[in-house]
Amino acid sequence: EVQLVESGGGLVQPGGSLRLSCAASGFTFSSYWMHWVRQAPGKGLVWVSRINSDGSSTSYADSVKGRFTISRDNAKNTLYLQMNSLRAEDTAVYYCARDPSIAAEDYWGQGTLVTVSS
Amino acid sequence: QSALTQPASVSGSPGQSITISCTGTSSDVGSYNLVSWYQQHPGKAPKLMIYEGSKRPSGVSNRFSGSKSGNTASLTISGLQAEDEADYYCCSYAGSSTPRVFGTGTKVTVL
Repeated sequence: EVQLVESGGGLVQPGGSLRLSCAASGFTFSSYWMHWVRQAPGKGLVWVSRINSDGSSTSYADSVKGRFTISRDNAKNTLYLQMNSLRAEDTAVYYCARDPSIAAEDYWGQGTLVTVSS
Repeated sequence: QSALTQPASVSGSPGQSITISCTGTSSDVGSYNLVSWYQQHPGKAPKLMIYEGSKRPSGVSNRFSGSKSGNTASLTISGLQAEDEADYYCCSYAGSSTPRVFGTGTKVTVL
């Protein structure tokens, strides 16, 4: 069974940092591109970042470029999102999702809540 | 990249058909047949319902269908059921540097 489990969310002050993790199981993690998508409370889905299967290529939304870094450890079957210089507008549930090369995400984690507030 | 435009809400009675529109531009929806649709129930993760414009993943009911015309994609739900009440989001590929652009979301209410 495919499982994606996010962790690392919590309360952080503006300007602070947080690292999210997404533990994958039930599939060959190293074969799939992966994405982070976020959803502010009561708002819609917003794409954040994407990484290819071996970690050599990444893309970011303009709103997080230069502040967030996506990475992966295929030996540990884990996806990461390092978030620096956090702002109030980064407050959201962050989902990791699997991309089976169909320009869509077929499995999603349950999400982890990041709250940026003083 | 701006969000794709969806109606805020659509409603229908059980058994009816409804259609949700998703309007983008020639840089996203209009350039690629790579629109996907997601269903999200409150407090839950999104679920993939349609990919590559009109394909259904295994296990998704054939009551859900997708199409596209120009810069506008559509999701049709036929034989509306109470369990279809949820938020629906479209998403389009928009190039290698912006691989995903989501829609604004549509709340479907079953009357």
